[in-house]
Amino acid sequence: AQTVTQSQPEMSVQEAETVTLSCTYDTSESNYYLFWYKQPPSRQMILVIRQEAYKQQNATENRFSVNFQKAAKSFSLKISDSQLGDTAMYFCASAFGNEKLTFGTGTRLTIIP
Amino acid sequence: DTGVSQNPRHKITKRGQNVTFRCDPISEHNRLYWYRQTLGQGPEFLTYFQNEAQLEKSRLLSDRFSAERPKGSFSTLEIQRTEQGDSAMYLCASSLPRSGGGTDTQYFGPGTRLTVL
Repeated sequence: AQTVTQSQPEMSVQEAETVTLSCTYDTSESNYYLFWYKQPPSRQMILVIRQEAYKQQNATENRFSVNFQKAAKSFSLKISDSQLGDTAMYFCASAFGNEKLTFGTGTRLTIIP
Repeated sequence: DTGVSQNPRHKITKRGQNVTFRCDPISEHNRLYWYRQTLGQGPEFLTYFQNEAQLEKSRLLSDRFSAERPKGSFSTLEIQRTEQGDSAMYLCASSLPRSGGGTDTQYFGPGTRLTVL
């Protein structure tokens, strides 16, 4: 079975600091895609960043970047210069060779002013 | 607003009643997904459509659940004889297959929160 694991239920960081959220996954598939989604309080889930497993280069979107370690099956999200608007639940997810997303249990991130 | 919309946003019902939720995807998206999210958990896949065809159903989707997408546009998810364990957020997402293949990005709606008393 394919699984996604997030081992940090909650994290907090001071505004403007850098924070890293961890995610590991398990699959026997060779072709898969990894995602980080953000779910602000009482708001809908939005895509933060995506990574194709066949690409060696780590994806970057402005202040958000990933550290994709394929051999270790690790996919962490780094948020630089954190802002109050980054406060949200963050879900790591993967599509393992098919269309449905498999999600982790999430990390609740709080940015402290 | 051209995002994914879901109605109603909240539904409270008594155990044993039937409920129906609607999802309107982004207009050009031909794939539509349903997920269920319980408190403190990540969303779990229920089913998905490509146009009007239902291509996959999760084992989570018991016989009391049925989903349709009759004209390949909006979709409905019906739960018959609701149980307290059905209380959850029901999320809809849509996507457009990427040219050249590969997994497309799913865009989520705001969800319908169901409470079964």
